[in-house]
Amino acid sequence: EDQVTQSPEALRLQEGESSSLNCSYTVSGLRGLFWYRQDPGKGPEFLFTLYSAGEEKEKERLKATLTKKESFLHITAPKPEDSATYLCAVGSGNTGKLIFGQGTTLQVKP
Amino acid sequence: GAVVSQHPSRVICKSGTSVKIECRSLDFQATTMFWYRQFPKQSLMLMATSNEGSKATYEQGVEKDKFLINHASLTLSTLTVTSAHPEDSSFYICSASLIFVQIERDGYTFGSGTRLTVV
Repeated sequence: EDQVTQSPEALRLQEGESSSLNCSYTVSGLRGLFWYRQDPGKGPEFLFTLYSAGEEKEKERLKATLTKKESFLHITAPKPEDSATYLCAVGSGNTGKLIFGQGTTLQVKP
Repeated sequence: GAVVSQHPSRVICKSGTSVKIECRSLDFQATTMFWYRQFPKQSLMLMATSNEGSKATYEQGVEKDKFLINHASLTLSTLTVTSAHPEDSSFYICSASLIFVQIERDGYTFGSGTRLTVV
């Protein structure tokens, strides 16, 4: 069964305190692993797509990495405006469906 | 590019009435659209996949007669919640994609969501 698990469920950081979010997955035929940011009451905002193990992508303070079983979203020196829920999803098989994890809610305090 | 507009952003309706939510792709033609439901502090659960010009494919446990999906054109899909009840109150989000290979470089594009409250 296709499954995505994110940890931790919630994370509180001080401004400038770097950390990582984890996304573990099992899927038949990975067609991309996606990271999204979601602010309260809004739809998900695309961050990254990773396709193969070893791939890395960066955007400002965020860096996403991928292995055969999991992905990490590294946040370097976070700022309060990075506070949001971060969602991980995998594209499964040929259906084009995305399977989402539960998300990690990040709070960065000044 | 790849903007999806969802309307309305919030709606309150009485039990027993029907509510229609629109999802439009503004600058591209969406062959496939997805409808999700999200409960507070939970992740997105796929409800159905709609392809332009054909019947929607519903996920297990989703009542097709209650959640009517129409994808009549390449730029518009609608979700109608029929005979709404308080337990239908939720955050509904649509997503659009082109041919899978093309869009996955940019990720699936999501609408801004619709907060439905049934009283």
